[in-house]
Amino acid sequence: DAKTTQPNSMESNEEEPVHLPCNHSTISGTDYIHWYRQLPSQGPEYVIHGLTSNVNNRMASLAIAEDRKSSTLILHRATLRDAAVYYCIPSYHLLTGANSKLTFGKGITLSVRP
Amino acid sequence: DAGITQSPRHKVTETGTPVTLRCHQTENHRYMYWYRQDPGHGLRLIHYSYGVKDTDKGEVSDGYSVSRSKTEDFLLTLESATSSQTSVYFCAIEEGGGEAFFGQGTRLTVV
Repeated sequence: DAKTTQPNSMESNEEEPVHLPCNHSTISGTDYIHWYRQLPSQGPEYVIHGLTSNVNNRMASLAIAEDRKSSTLILHRATLRDAAVYYCIPSYHLLTGANSKLTFGKGITLSVRP
Repeated sequence: DAGITQSPRHKVTETGTPVTLRCHQTENHRYMYWYRQDPGHGLRLIHYSYGVKDTDKGEVSDGYSVSRSKTEDFLLTLESATSSQTSVYFCAIEEGGGEAFFGQGTRLTVV
């Protein structure tokens, strides 16, 4: 499994954009990059995933470096509810349905200031 | 919300007793996972299943066994509970599309 490096923590102000980085220099060519987050006292929840191109959904955007060795999760306007631990997970995943076997690291603890 | 239910949500048990945690899904997803979460360790994969009767070990499988006799249920058994297995256990389901859904967790205390 590809190893990831993320800062332990980050702080943001409410309603400002947040850029959460992740280095995954050993990622393989078939690994997708998944992001999950975990709010206090809850199970993790899916945020976004991508392979090569940048991806957008209602929750966030994912910017993937051209060499795929790093990615950035972008929250466009942080809210207090976005305070959570964010995990970046490179994981093998076939379009035909092979499992991702998500392996979580320590993640980034994001704090949002009112 | 994805249909995934863990039971029990809380359990206190004595050292040496067997314990079974249940994960039930109504989504008919192929893949199911058991994780444990401890302070300072994050989430660690215990076992996973890629179909009925098809299971495999994760990174912290010692002391745990699993069974999946039907698509909707994935059971995690602690054969003889130890204090080191005090943890929060999460079940997850996935169909292979890259988006996994997690249960609310089971808090297990072994005394």
